[in-house]
Amino acid sequence: EAGVAQSPRYKIIEKRQSVAFWCNPISGHATLYWYQQILGQGPKLLIQFQNNGVVDDSQLPKDRFSAERLKGVDSTLKIQPAKLEDSAVYLCASSADRGYGYTFGSGTRLTVV
Amino acid sequence: TQLLEQSPQFLSIQEGENLTVYCNSSSVFSSLQWYRQEPGEGPVLLVTVVTGGEVKKLKRLTFQFGDARKDSSLHITAAQPGDTGLYLCAGADARRAGNMLTFGGGTRLMVKP
Repeated sequence: EAGVAQSPRYKIIEKRQSVAFWCNPISGHATLYWYQQILGQGPKLLIQFQNNGVVDDSQLPKDRFSAERLKGVDSTLKIQPAKLEDSAVYLCASSADRGYGYTFGSGTRLTVV
Repeated sequence: TQLLEQSPQFLSIQEGENLTVYCNSSSVFSSLQWYRQEPGEGPVLLVTVVTGGEVKKLKRLTFQFGDARKDSSLHITAAQPGDTGLYLCAGADARRAGNMLTFGGGTRLMVKP
């Protein structure tokens, strides 16, 4: 089966600019997650969707980050405006059952200069 | 907040040596997963352990879930250069909404030929 697709792979922007990331999960996976992974650290959950509803967004910096999952399939994560500390890899993952067997995409490496 | 502490953070060994990576928490998890991540890629699921005291083997890798389901270990026998990567443990708590995973900080392993 096809894996989790993410784009773009790399993005370099200046601080205060906006950026958007796209994720297409594995077909049929109801649960979709966005994680932020800062260099040298483990992934940190930003937001979790179940179909097109938000299950948990408690660690999403809502003053600058937003995410949506229209029609319960693809998802986009947006940062506006970006800060230097947002430089990280943004990982999208999906699973058929919540909490089990995550499949991750290759991530988007964001550099804010 | 549930925290997972991994040790050691870095490990550099020679090919053929054995090693153990630890994952500890003060919280109880309903399941625990181990992932391996290579540079530029997302984490790949290695194993899920669910029952306290459970031991699972995957070729040269042995995973153990603590009796109290608060800790886990990963033992690699006769390490090979192909084992090089970032090893992440992640715990799921079925009592939390969405049963989402919390990741440890990772252990970066380098196996030198």
